[in-house]
Amino acid sequence: GDSVTQMEGPVTLSEEAFLTINCTYTATGYPSLFWYVQYPGEGLQLLLKATKADDKGSNKGFEATYRKETTSFHLEKGSVQVSDSAVYFCALRELTGGGNKLTFGTGTQLKVEL
Amino acid sequence: DAGVIQSPRHEVTEMGQEVTLRCKPISGHNSLFWYRQTMMRGLELLIYFNNNVPIDDSGMPEDRFSAKMPNASFSTLKIQPSEPRDSAVYFCASTPSQLAVVNEQYFGPGTRLTVT
Repeated sequence: GDSVTQMEGPVTLSEEAFLTINCTYTATGYPSLFWYVQYPGEGLQLLLKATKADDKGSNKGFEATYRKETTSFHLEKGSVQVSDSAVYFCALRELTGGGNKLTFGTGTQLKVEL
Repeated sequence: DAGVIQSPRHEVTEMGQEVTLRCKPISGHNSLFWYRQTMMRGLELLIYFNNNVPIDDSGMPEDRFSAKMPNASFSTLKIQPSEPRDSAVYFCASTPSQLAVVNEQYFGPGTRLTVT
């Protein structure tokens, strides 16, 4: 079945540091890929998405590129802020077979310190 | 636009009691999902509905859990009887037509359930 693997957290960085959170996936078809963010005490929000190979999703300074050859969708940001402290979830949705089910990774907690 | 609405936001109950969590999806969305989030297990999909019909309930932990969607604008998740291990944050999410190529899920704020 489909699966998503994320790097384990917590990831602790100083403000303005470069961020990478690794995500790899296993899927039988051609999935769409997503990054969601969860701030403390809130529900998940979509951060960015990509629908096909080589697409780059971007939002709020975050980027991720859909790499079919390495089945990866790593999240990056050039300069993190304290306000980026949150839990980040990688997810996929298969386009074949119908349905709207997303498969989520386990989440990676990011802590940004001054 | 109102997002996904969940109630109550917090629920504290005693072991053995019935608990009902409620969700109102975004108007016009055809799919609805119930998730449970704990530190130990992370985010787990419990059940999801398309057009008010349950499609996949394989994530429902046991018979004590049940979910209904009587119409397009309302869903409930019931736990009877509740146990301390059910303590978690329960999220509801909705998404537009399943025919769309890319469907992001819109999450509610969650219900934090504590069973003592």
